[in-house]
Amino acid sequence: DAGVIQSPRHEVTEMGQEVTLRCKPISGHDYLFWYRQTMMRGLELLIYFNNNVPIDDSGMPEDRFSAKMPNASFSTLKIQPSEPRDSAVYFCASSLDRGTSGRAWELFFGEGSRLTVL
Amino acid sequence: GEDVEQSLFLSVREGDSSVINCTYTDSSSTYLYWYKQEPGAGLQLLTYIFSNMDMKQDQRLTVLLNKKDKHLSLRIADTQTGDSAIYFCADHSGYALNFGKGTSLLVTP
Repeated sequence: DAGVIQSPRHEVTEMGQEVTLRCKPISGHDYLFWYRQTMMRGLELLIYFNNNVPIDDSGMPEDRFSAKMPNASFSTLKIQPSEPRDSAVYFCASSLDRGTSGRAWELFFGEGSRLTVL
Repeated sequence: GEDVEQSLFLSVREGDSSVINCTYTDSSSTYLYWYKQEPGAGLQLLTYIFSNMDMKQDQRLTVLLNKKDKHLSLRIADTQTGDSAIYFCADHSGYALNFGKGTSLLVTP
């Protein structure tokens, strides 16, 4: 079975341009997460969805960032306008549940989208 | 959420044991987790421990949990070059997993 699929794998853009990152979660998973990874700040949770509904977006840095999940099989993270400090690896992850019912919570991560903003 | 703390780097020789330490914050976490990130890849669940356990062994991996001190450790026995990766500790904070910054493990021949 395919895992979490992210695109593009690499994106180089200039400051001020719009960037759209895409994610296809594992079929049947109810939760979808967007994380950002940098050397300085480690792995930060940006936003997560449950059944396509945004539940917590408190990690979204500012209004330049937006995320959508129009259906169960697709999500986007958009940065407009992009800035050099947005350079990072952006990960999408999905999970079947959130560790309830006595089960451990396993997140399945995509391979990430490496964004460089010049 | 509050920070899950880990040391950033660890270097060991092949065949030695590695011990990666973590201090977590959410004492209500039912489970505590170790994720592994290999170069150029996403994170993968490596192992986890139920919060009412002190120790869990899984082949070369041993997880120790000290709930009083909120301290979690991962021991890798007979460390191999293929174990070189970043290891993340995580607790279950509210509605999300709260990850540490990760410990980069370098295994030298």
